Amino acid sequence: SYELTQPPSVSVSPGQTASITCNGDKLGNKYVCWYQQKPGQSPLLVMYQDDQRPSGIPDRFSGSNSGNTATLTISGTQAMDEADYYCQAWDSNTASYIFGSGTKVSVL
Amino acid sequence: QVQLQESGPGLVKPSETLSLTCAVSGYSISSGYYWGWIRQPPGKGLEWIGSIYHTGRTYYNPSLKSRVTIYLDTSNNHFSLNLTSVTAADTALYYCAREDGVAAAGNGYDSWGQGTLVTVSS
Repeated sequence: SYELTQPPSVSVSPGQTASITCNGDKLGNKYVCWYQQKPGQSPLLVMYQDDQRPSGIPDRFSGSNSGNTATLTISGTQAMDEADYYCQAWDSNTASYIFGSGTKVSVL
Repeated sequence: QVQLQESGPGLVKPSETLSLTCAVSGYSISSGYYWGWIRQPPGKGLEWIGSIYHTGRTYYNPSLKSRVTIYLDTSNNHFSLNLTSVTAADTALYYCAREDGVAAAGNGYDSWGQGTLVTVSS
């Protein structure tokens, strides 16, 4: 079955850049979405179609997807960006969505 | 602005059927979009359960497919989830969500309910 692999955690200093990776076989051939989830809250879509930001998402969030790796980048990271982040992609072979295991971003 | 609200029993006995409803306001579910269920065991990550299109076409997680049914109730503008033969492993926070467009188009779930916790225990 198709799998998406994310690092369990990423630490970043305030104002610096955080990069969250999502790896999967030929992932670049699929569209990837990213969700932010803060404690006690529902997930929030922060990126769709690899690099498109929904309305209301700050432009410090950006995305890319090529080869086997999709990346969500947070530039000028703020304390409010501390959260769990999940990638998601559609597996056409099984006609099902796959979520990555999630990455906890800590702003230290 | 669309709003989604999950409802259903918070406690289900092992081997029984988990039934949840997602009430949608601000949009008619018969008009379009995909409507999905996602769950999250306590302290763990997200797991996709399945989706239903406004036409009734469904897609299910292969690992749950034999136990899952998702269906629309257009007269009440809600959609529902049935999960049969539950075990403790099905204990989770269950979310309903809306997706704009077909899954392969990569639009993602742009609106989510607040989630409802279901515990499987005798």
